[in-house]
Amino acid sequence: GQSLEQPSEVTAVEGAIVQINCTYQTSGFYGLSWYQQHDGGAPTFLSYNALDGLEETGRFSSFLSRSDSYGYLLLQELQMKDSASYFCAVREYYGQNFVFGPGTRLSVLP
Amino acid sequence: KAGVTQTPRYLIKTRGQQVTLSCSPISGHRSVSWYQQTPGQGLQFLFEYFSETQRNKGNFPGRFSGRQFSNSRSEMNVSTLELGDSALYLCASSFIQGGTGELFFGEGSRLTVL
Repeated sequence: GQSLEQPSEVTAVEGAIVQINCTYQTSGFYGLSWYQQHDGGAPTFLSYNALDGLEETGRFSSFLSRSDSYGYLLLQELQMKDSASYFCAVREYYGQNFVFGPGTRLSVLP
Repeated sequence: KAGVTQTPRYLIKTRGQQVTLSCSPISGHRSVSWYQQTPGQGLQFLFEYFSETQRNKGNFPGRFSGRQFSNSRSEMNVSTLELGDSALYLCASSFIQGGTGELFFGEGSRLTVL
């Protein structure tokens, strides 16, 4: 099965760039997804990497390296509204289960 | 296009009771998956339904069950509630099983067990 690890908390200031890492113990998965969840809200999809490399969506970019068992979410030009929890997730080949990381709480300071 | 709708949003039960939660997926989405979210355990996969069939199941006891109807709406049931079942239960839908990893989540049903 999969085990994903993320830093529990990250703090940055408005306008800065922050990188949230996701490392994993892999037994095979389809791709790496990222979700954002504000307090009291539903997780919302941000990005998906099926292949190694960088995917860019506006201020957000995501990266995957299967050989390094590593991925990250990059948030640029941080805004106060980016303060939220961010989860990486995979769908396993074996069992087809979805596995989420523990989440990283991002605090953006003025 | 309406999003994923979960009902009820909040509920309080006592130990030993059972509860049924409902999820209406986005129109056209045929896959529905359920998750339990707690501060200590994070988001944990419960099960996934596609075309009225359970396709896979997470590591939860048999007290947790679900079903999917022909209109893709899904319900999950927890019997003999325990204090540890207090959690936010999230439902997510996607157009096909697997897909590109993009799940659309509902706001969740917050269950408190006393």
